[in-house]
Amino acid sequence: DQQVKQNSPSLSVQEGRISILNCDYTNSMFDYFLWYKKYPAEGPTFLISISSIKDKNEDGRFTVFLNKSAKHLSLHIVPSQPGDSAVYFCAASELAGSYQLTFGKGTKLSVIP
Amino acid sequence: DADVTQTPRNRITKTGKRIMLECSQTKGHDRMYWYRQDPGLGLRLIYYSFDVKDINKGEISDGYSVSRQAQAKFSLSLESAIPNQTALYFCATSNGPSLRGAFFGQGTRLTVV
Repeated sequence: DQQVKQNSPSLSVQEGRISILNCDYTNSMFDYFLWYKKYPAEGPTFLISISSIKDKNEDGRFTVFLNKSAKHLSLHIVPSQPGDSAVYFCAASELAGSYQLTFGKGTKLSVIP
Repeated sequence: DADVTQTPRNRITKTGKRIMLECSQTKGHDRMYWYRQDPGLGLRLIYYSFDVKDINKGEISDGYSVSRQAQAKFSLSLESAIPNQTALYFCATSNGPSLRGAFFGQGTRLTVV
C-alpha cells in the first residue's frame, strides 16, 4: 500500500505561470516532508521541506503547503522557468526512529518556453 | 569531486552473476542508504546503515546484501542477479534527521539480461 502518493505523473506549464505539484499521504506518523528534484542522469537533490508544526514554508520561488487534516501537501513554483523541468518527488519521514524516507512515484514537470 | 560517488555508473550483467555496487562519500555523514528506482515508481529503500556496526533492512532487501566497510563506504551486492533487479540504484547519506534530507549519488544503472 503506497503511503505517499503523487497522482499526477506529469504536468505541463507555460513559462512564467505557476506550477502546482500535489502529494497525498496516508501514514499519520509522518511529520516531516520533503520535495526532491531530479534531472535525467543525476541523483535527486533536495529542494524544500516542511515539518508538521508548520503549514507553509517558502524559499524563493518555491513554497510548500501542508494540510495535515487532509494529509495533503503541495509544491508551488512561481514563476515557473524552463530550468524547472524535471521530475519532482515528494517524500515523508518520521523524525523519531530510523529516519527513513518514503517516496512518491514522482511528477514530471515540463515548463514550456 | 562529488560528495557521494557511485561506481560503476552503468553495468550490464547476466542472470545469476554476482555484482557489487559501490558508494563512497566525503560528507562525513554517519548514515548511508541504498535505494532503487524503477520506471514510474518512486525510490524504495533497500538497506540502510547508521554506522559501521549497524546495518538494517529496508522495504525491499530480499536478493540484496550490503557491507559498510568504513564510515565513508557502503557497498550493495546482488548475490545472484535476476532480470527484475534491473533498475536505477542510488546511494545516499545523511547526518541524522535533517531539514535538508539526504544527499544522493548520481546513480548506477544496472541491467540484468
